[in-house]
Amino acid sequence: DAGVTQSPTHLIKTRGQHVTLRCSPISGHKSVSWYQQVLGQGPQFIFQYYEKEERGRGNFPDRFSARQFPNYSSELNVNALLLGDSALYLCASSRQGAQAMYGYTFGSGTRLTVV
Amino acid sequence: QKEVEQDPGPLSVPEGAIVSLNCTYSNSAFQYFMWYRQYSRKGPELLMYTYSSGNKEDGRFTAQVDKSSKYISLFIRDSQPSDSATYLCAMSAADYKLSFGAGTTVTVRA
Repeated sequence: DAGVTQSPTHLIKTRGQHVTLRCSPISGHKSVSWYQQVLGQGPQFIFQYYEKEERGRGNFPDRFSARQFPNYSSELNVNALLLGDSALYLCASSRQGAQAMYGYTFGSGTRLTVV
Repeated sequence: QKEVEQDPGPLSVPEGAIVSLNCTYSNSAFQYFMWYRQYSRKGPELLMYTYSSGNKEDGRFTAQVDKSSKYISLFIRDSQPSDSATYLCAMSAADYKLSFGAGTTVTVRA
C-alpha cells in the first residue's frame, strides 16, 4: 500500500517567485495537513483540509494557500517567496477525520530552497 | 514561551544504553501525546501514541505522560545504532493540529 507521496522532492526557487507543492494521501484517507519544518526545528502547522474543506489554518501569511481536490490529493501554494520560506514542507494524512489526536502519517516532504 | 519545549540535544549514548527523552508543555488542553522518529531527509514516523496520563509500552519503547506536571517522556531500552535519529514529541487538544517540540537528535554509538 503506497504511503503519502509528495512531489517534487527538491525544489530551488528565486525570491519573489511562486511555488506549488503536491501531495497524495494514503488511499482511503480524507484528511490532508501541511506542515513547515525549518532546519533544526519541529514541524509547524500550516493548513488542514478534510473532505475538501479547510478545517484549520496556522499562523502563516496569506501568501500561503492550499486546496484539496475531489480525489483528496492536495496542493500547497506559496506566492512571493522569501528566503525564510526555505524549509522542508511536509504533507500528512489521516483516516480519523479532521482531528489530529491519533497522529498522522507523514510523507517524506518537499525540500524548498529559496535563493 | 513556546507551547512545547524539547531539549534539542544532541544526545550520544553507547549501544545498549537506555535513551531518555522528554518534553514539557504549557497548554492544559493537550490530551493526546505522540512521539515521532525522523531520520535525516525523511518525514516523521509515528512511534508511540498516548491518551491522557499514564504509561504505554511497545517493545523497547516506553512512553510516559504526567499531565499534572505537563511533562512527557520516552524511554528507549537496549538502544541500537539504527535508533540514531531525531525524536519529536507532538501533542494535540483533539482538534485539527499537532504541536511539535523542536526535536532531540540522538546518536547511538556502536
